[in-house]
Order: sequence, then C-alpha cells, then structure tokens
Amino acid sequence: DAGVIQSPRHEVTEMGQEVTLRCKPISGHNSLFWYRQTMMRGLELLIYFNNNVPIDDSGMPEDRFSAKMPNASFSTLKIQPSEPRDSAVYFCASSFRENEQFFGPGTRLTVL
Amino acid sequence: EDQVTQSPEALRLQEGESSSLNCSYTVSGLRGLFWYRQDPGKGPEFLFTLYSAGEEKEKERLKATLTKKESFLHITAPKPEDSATYLCAVRTYYTGRRALTFGSGTRLQVQP
Repeated sequence: DAGVIQSPRHEVTEMGQEVTLRCKPISGHNSLFWYRQTMMRGLELLIYFNNNVPIDDSGMPEDRFSAKMPNASFSTLKIQPSEPRDSAVYFCASSFRENEQFFGPGTRLTVL
Repeated sequence: EDQVTQSPEALRLQEGESSSLNCSYTVSGLRGLFWYRQDPGKGPEFLFTLYSAGEEKEKERLKATLTKKESFLHITAPKPEDSATYLCAVRTYYTGRRALTFGSGTRLQVQP
C-alpha cells in the first residue's frame, strides 16, 4: 500500500519566491496534518484538516503561509513570499480519526 | 501548555547493551502517548500508542511503558539497525485537537 506521498522531496528557491508543497494522504484517512521540523524547534504542527476542513491553524507562522485541502486525496502548503528562516523539512501526516498518524517522507526546503 | 521532555538527548550503546529512553510529560488530560522512530532523511515511523497508566506494548526488541507522568522505551539487546532518533508525542483532551505535541527526541547510536 502506498503511504503518504509528498512532492517535491527537495526544493531550493530564492527569497521572495512562492513555494508550493504537495501531499497525498493515505486513502481512507480523514485527518491530514502539516508539520515543520527544524533542529532548533523540533517537530511543530502548522495546521490540520479533518474531513477536508481546516480545524486548527494556530501553528501557521504568519500570513505568508497558507494551506488548502480541496479534496480528500490532496493538500497543498504554500509559502508566499518565502524567507530564509522558512528553511526546514516539512512533513505531511494522515490518520483515520484519532488513530496513529502516518508521516510522509518530507520536503526539504532551502530558501537562499 | 502541554510539555514533553525526552532524555537523554543522545545515547550511545554497544550492541547487546540494554537501556531505556525517557519521555516525561505535563498535560491536561492525556488521550494517547505515541512513540515514533525517525531515520535520517525520512519521516517519523509509528511504533506504539499507549493510553493509560500501566499499559505496555512490545515490538521485537522494543517495549514501551506508561505511568501517569512519564513513558519509557526499553531497548533490549539492541542491534546497530536500532540506531535512529526516537520521538515521543502526546495528544491531550483539553486541546480538542487530534494533532500531536512532540518531544525533541533521543538520538540513539548502537555500535557493533
């Protein structure tokens, strides 16, 4: 079975550019989570969706970050404009109800 | 605010040398404590979920236990392939969220 799929796996961009990260959750899962991982702050929740509806976006750093989930099999996290401090590994995870979350391989973002 | 503290930050063992990793938590209404393993360049991989004090789960050389204030991940006769970062996370009732609060992890290195 395919796990959580994320693309791209690596992204290098320049400050000020728009970045879009993509995620396909595991089929049948109804909750989707976006996390960010850095050495300094570890794994932090950015936003999560339940049944395609954003439930908690209190972790989104600022208005430059936005996330959408247009259907049960696709979500995007967009950063516009990007800044060097956004450099991190971004993970998408999905779960069925309150069961364990399964993580994707992550997108390593570098903003120059 | 939920807090999760893991210790030690790093641990180096010889192959076959058993040890334990600690995860202490301060939360309001625990609704699950999760253990994950993370290899370099990959997403966290789910290991265990514990829900109530006294509960234990086992998988191969790993055994997770839970008390009202902390959880232990016991590693019996570890092998080099057990080398990874081990993360614990909690989900609480009063946050009303399905998202997890993660600790900073323990980096385990098992030498042959």
